[in-house]
Amino acid sequence: GAGVSQSPSNKVTEKGKDVELRCDPISGHTALYWYRQSLGQGLEFLIYFQGNSAPDKSGLPSDRFSAERTGGSVSTLTIQRTQQEDSAVYLCASRRGTGGLEQFFGPGTRLTVL
Amino acid sequence: GNSVTQMEGPVTLSEEAFLTINCTYTATGYPSLFWYVQYPGEGLQLLLKATKADDKGSNKGFEATYRKETTSFHLEKGSVQVSDSAVYFCAPHAAGGTSYGKLTFGQGTILTVHP
Repeated sequence: GAGVSQSPSNKVTEKGKDVELRCDPISGHTALYWYRQSLGQGLEFLIYFQGNSAPDKSGLPSDRFSAERTGGSVSTLTIQRTQQEDSAVYLCASRRGTGGLEQFFGPGTRLTVL
Repeated sequence: GNSVTQMEGPVTLSEEAFLTINCTYTATGYPSLFWYVQYPGEGLQLLLKATKADDKGSNKGFEATYRKETTSFHLEKGSVQVSDSAVYFCAPHAAGGTSYGKLTFGQGTILTVHP
């Protein structure tokens, strides 16, 4: 595709429910990142996939958060038992992986936990 | 790991004013440095970058120079426009090791330009 796409664009859920957020990276990009952008908090790194290597999960805030990347392409970020503090915009980015440092960002998914 | 200290906002300017947004960083190794911009209702996009000391990144009239001695990468523009209103993020890229490939973002600086 032309760029990184994310779905849904908006998600409203009730506290305690599970949610899945999807990211389609740019075709051929081997690196994929998830970030969280909360109001007044800047961008918070969550997780990083690079090729077939084990993902860097060092930014995941709790064990309620997990992510997978199937076939080296599409990624899903899952938040279990959502809490109100999980409300934020979740951003996905991809990078070419070899020789390219620039990350290309998707439009984000705005998650609201009621 | 890397860390970034970015000028707090919001910054409000009149059109054609001079802009400086300060950014200093701490990093191991020799990071590449980036400025990203987020226009209202849009995703983040790369504004400019510099990969080695004394390099000057430039784009859309914005400039930033990689100052290794002061570990700074301040963003400047000589004459801002209303269309420059956005949030600006400074981000060093990890030089190597286990953090290679990761960007560390500053808190972001909100810029509003009035006609």
